[in-house]
Amino acid sequence: GAVVSQHPSWVICKSGTSVKIECRSLDFQATTMFWYRQFPKQSLMLMATSNEGSKATYEQGVEKDKFLINHASLTLSTLTVTSAHPEDSSFYICSARVLLTGSYNSPLHFGNGTRLTVT
Amino acid sequence: QKEVEQNSGPLSVPEGAIASLNCTYSDRVSQSFFWYRQYSGKSPELIMSIYSNGDKEDGRFTAQLNKASQYVSLLIRDSQPSDSATYLCAVFPNAGNNRKLIWGLGTSLAVNP
Repeated sequence: GAVVSQHPSWVICKSGTSVKIECRSLDFQATTMFWYRQFPKQSLMLMATSNEGSKATYEQGVEKDKFLINHASLTLSTLTVTSAHPEDSSFYICSARVLLTGSYNSPLHFGNGTRLTVT
Repeated sequence: QKEVEQNSGPLSVPEGAIASLNCTYSDRVSQSFFWYRQYSGKSPELIMSIYSNGDKEDGRFTAQLNKASQYVSLLIRDSQPSDSATYLCAVFPNAGNNRKLIWGLGTSLAVNP
């Protein structure tokens, strides 16, 4: 259970174009999804928290107009990198949690990631 | 002070040995603790969740939690070369409005055949 599917697994695009990445929770509903970015040999960096039916919450330093997040249903969140530039080349990973009752927090389950290369 | 600390390694162990990975955290009221494994170029995958003091075993993996000392560890028995990866410790703080998962920087493990 708790499978998160992310598509595409890799994409190459030209500078100035936009790229959309999809993240789906396959066997559970996710009111909240999390988008991470990871540069080579660096740690995971949370970019934004995607909330179903409302605006995403962006981390400090992440441009909300450049990284558009849409969470239109309980199983789908999308991240669009607009006007991509070579410095946006990175590994983008989405994640979601199965909500538990009580005080404990369930772990994040990750998609397989999308490797974006902007030429 | 970092909120979740791990030794970056690399930790090198021979095949068949026990690998011991440690993590300390600063938020004393934290309740939820996770270990993830991340292979190079791949996304993290969950290995263990632990919520109560003591040991939790799952196959070759044992997570140990000591809330009084604010540390959580992961033991890997009979280490295999396929265990070579970066191991990430993550903690869910129990207080505050901004309850994001807090990540350590990871420990690199190399299991030598």
